[in-house]
Amino acid sequence: AQSVTQPDIHITVSEGASLELRCNYSYGATPYLFWYVQSPGQGLQLLLKYFSGDTLVQGIKGFEAEFKRSQSSFNLRKPSVHWSDAAEYFCAVGAAGGSYIPTFGRGTSLIVHP
Amino acid sequence: NAGVTQTPKFQVLKTGQSMTLQCAQDMNHNSMYWYRQDPGMGLRLIYYSASEGTTDKGEVPNGYNVSRLNKREFSLRLESAAPSQTSVYFCASSYSGTDTQYFGPGTRLTVL
Repeated sequence: AQSVTQPDIHITVSEGASLELRCNYSYGATPYLFWYVQSPGQGLQLLLKYFSGDTLVQGIKGFEAEFKRSQSSFNLRKPSVHWSDAAEYFCAVGAAGGSYIPTFGRGTSLIVHP
Repeated sequence: NAGVTQTPKFQVLKTGQSMTLQCAQDMNHNSMYWYRQDPGMGLRLIYYSASEGTTDKGEVPNGYNVSRLNKREFSLRLESAAPSQTSVYFCASSYSGTDTQYFGPGTRLTVL
């Protein structure tokens, strides 16, 4: 079965600073990888996803993520954070065939200081 | 398109009471899901329905039942609510299990 770890429970950055949120997964074959964002009091919204092909994936709101098979990682990045990016971020990993329902990480809460 | 809708938005129950959470999607998706979200635990899958007419248990199914009423609707029932079921419940849908999931706004449930 697949699993996903988000090592950071909270991340604090200043507005305008760069951001990297970590995600490590465990799965034997090539996984399907997702990043979702949850604003306070809202449901989750997809930021980006990786299924195959180019390992650098562009998403909405200026986010990108890079799939690194050798490190079993799919870290989320943004070059310059805006105050509106303050939210909870979830990484999820899925797999083709068998138990293909994505497994979600526990989330990273992003705090943005002005 | 409304996307995924959930009712109610908020609910307070007493221990032992029953209730049904309703979910509907208008995107013609095949798969639907129920999750619960608790602080520090992320999202945990309760039940899912890969297609109309099928339902399967997820990670935390105990104390819950589901019904896939038709392609659009997927309800979650608590037969005898317990304080441990205090949580925020999210319904989601997707075209297939490997596809993007679209989430509803959530139901905040408190069991006293």
